[in-house]
Amino acid sequence: KQEVTQIPAALSVPEGENLVLNCSFTDSAIYNLQWFRQDPGKGLTSLLLIQSSQREQTSGRLNASLDKSSGRSTLYIAASQPGDSATYLCAVNTGGFKTIFGAGTRLFVKA
Amino acid sequence: DGGITQSPKYLFRKEGQNVTLSCEQNLNHDAMYWYRQDPGQGLRLIYYSQIVNDFQKGDIAEGYSVSREKKESFPLTVTSAQKNPTAFYLCASSTEPQETQYFGPGTRLLVL
Repeated sequence: KQEVTQIPAALSVPEGENLVLNCSFTDSAIYNLQWFRQDPGKGLTSLLLIQSSQREQTSGRLNASLDKSSGRSTLYIAASQPGDSATYLCAVNTGGFKTIFGAGTRLFVKA
Repeated sequence: DGGITQSPKYLFRKEGQNVTLSCEQNLNHDAMYWYRQDPGQGLRLIYYSQIVNDFQKGDIAEGYSVSREKKESFPLTVTSAQKNPTAFYLCASSTEPQETQYFGPGTRLLVL
């Protein structure tokens, strides 16, 4: 059974710091992995999607990597800003409609 | 402006009452989903639908029902059989099941 874990559950950093969020999954047989952002009381916004054949994806200050063999993905945020404060969730698709979500990492960027 | 809308934003349910959450999308997506989010947990799939008039149970379908009479609409009914309905409910859609999912703003359901 696929399980997705995100550690730490919460993270506080000063503005301007580069940071890494971690996601681990137990079964390497995945179709893709996606990173989402969720603001308090809101829906999820897709940030990056990495196909199983890819190693990384970049969008602006965000870079997501995927290592299927070790069951790990990281989301790198460069030069963090207070506006980056949110909960970041990773989700693994194992094919078809089956997407497993992690519980998220709550990020707080201090001005 | 394409997107997914959910209503209401907040919903209060009395004991023994059925309530219906609305989800509408104008993205022309075939696949639609309902998820439940509880504090400190990942999203859990309630129901999904790939085409009109077809839907399948997800991991936690007990106490819930859905319909898909139109491509744009996928309402979720929380029945009185759902004993712990307090949660944040999210609707999503995608072009294909394994592609990027686009989410609505959510409905928070509370029990009186």
